Amino acid sequence: AQSVTQPDIHITVSEGASLELRCNYSYGATPYLFWYVQSPGQGLQLLLKYFSGDTLVQGIKGFEAEFKRSQSSFNLRKPSVHWSDAAEYFCAVGTYSGGGADGLTFGKGTHLIIQP
Amino acid sequence: DTAVSQTPKYLVTQMGNDKSIKCEQNLGHDTMYWYKQDSKKFLKIMFSYNNKELIINETVPNRFSPKSPDKAHLNLHINSLELGDSAVYFCASSQEDSGRETQYFGPGTRLLVL
Repeated sequence: AQSVTQPDIHITVSEGASLELRCNYSYGATPYLFWYVQSPGQGLQLLLKYFSGDTLVQGIKGFEAEFKRSQSSFNLRKPSVHWSDAAEYFCAVGTYSGGGADGLTFGKGTHLIIQP
Repeated sequence: DTAVSQTPKYLVTQMGNDKSIKCEQNLGHDTMYWYKQDSKKFLKIMFSYNNKELIINETVPNRFSPKSPDKAHLNLHINSLELGDSAVYFCASSQEDSGRETQYFGPGTRLLVL
């Protein structure tokens, strides 16, 4: 069965500093990978996704992520964070059984705190 | 226009009651999902519906039943509510694309069982 690990439960970053959130996955076939962001009391917003092709994918709000098959990783990065980036970030893997989408398997999330 | 909407946004009820949460999507997608987010913010798939057929059903209690009157709606009915059902429930939708589906989420329904 597939699984997603986000090793950092909390991360604190100063405003203007760079950010990297880690994500490792376990899945036997080619994974479809996603990053979602959840602001307090809100729903989930898609930041970016990887299906195939270029392993560096660009998303909204200045985020990017790099797929590294050899490391089973899909880390999220941003060169300079803003206070509005404070939120919960979820990495997810999508699987397909042939009969339809199986739904997403999520990591446990990383809570991002921005220091002034 | 809201792509995936849920009602109600908040639901407070007593143990033992029966309640429903509604979900509608205007994206023309053919698959809809329900997820549960627990108090530790862990998200887990509960159900999905594709063309009115239930295609996955995780190990959720049979007190939970998804109902899809049409392709744009997937409602979640919960019987005999328990304290442990308190959570945030998210609806999502996607268009089938041989696995390359992107799921779009609703704003969530915050259920509190007293």
